[in-house]
Amino acid sequence: GNSVTQMEGPVTLSEEAFLTINCTYTATGYPSLFWYVQYPGEGLQLLLKATKADDKGSNKGFEATYRKETTSFHLEKGSVQVSDSAVYFCALNVDYKLSFGAGTTVTVRA
Amino acid sequence: EAGVAQSPRYKIIEKRQSVAFWCNPISGHATLYWYQQILGQGPKLLIQFQNNGVVDDSQLPKDRFSAERLKGVDSTLKIQPAKLEDSAVYLCASSPGGGTGFIQYFGAGTRLSVL
Repeated sequence: GNSVTQMEGPVTLSEEAFLTINCTYTATGYPSLFWYVQYPGEGLQLLLKATKADDKGSNKGFEATYRKETTSFHLEKGSVQVSDSAVYFCALNVDYKLSFGAGTTVTVRA
Repeated sequence: EAGVAQSPRYKIIEKRQSVAFWCNPISGHATLYWYQQILGQGPKLLIQFQNNGVVDDSQLPKDRFSAERLKGVDSTLKIQPAKLEDSAVYLCASSPGGGTGFIQYFGAGTRLSVL
């Protein structure tokens, strides 16, 4: 079956710190990979995506590279801001169906 | 472009009562999804519609949950009777199909508390 495992939280950082959230997956077929973000009180928003091996998705200073050899899609940001405090979900799409990880709560302190 | 609309935002009921949630997808989106998100977990797919037909309802507890999408636009998800373990956020998402059809757009969700 299809599944996603992501780093457990919560993660607490200071402003301008480096953020990494690990994500690995198991999938049948060739998945597309996503990071979604959920800000407090809001719905899920697509943060970035990658559709094939070695693709790099990027948005708002966040980056993730689709690594087929390690079945990973780790999320990184070089300098976080307080406004990046949210829950981050790694997800894969096979046959138009999304499977999500459990989410990682990130809190950035000023 | 308007996003996915869901109502109500919050609902509190007692166990064994019934509840219904409504979703209006982004205009023109053929595919509609309902997810259940239990606190501390990622969303889990309950049902997927393509236009007004069901594509996948394998994870829907059909003894108490039902969903419909009349005319291929709006959708309702119903729980009857509710159990304590149904307390969760119910998310609706839609996608356009075609080349970027794998991107899903989510509504803000309905938070259900069953007492």
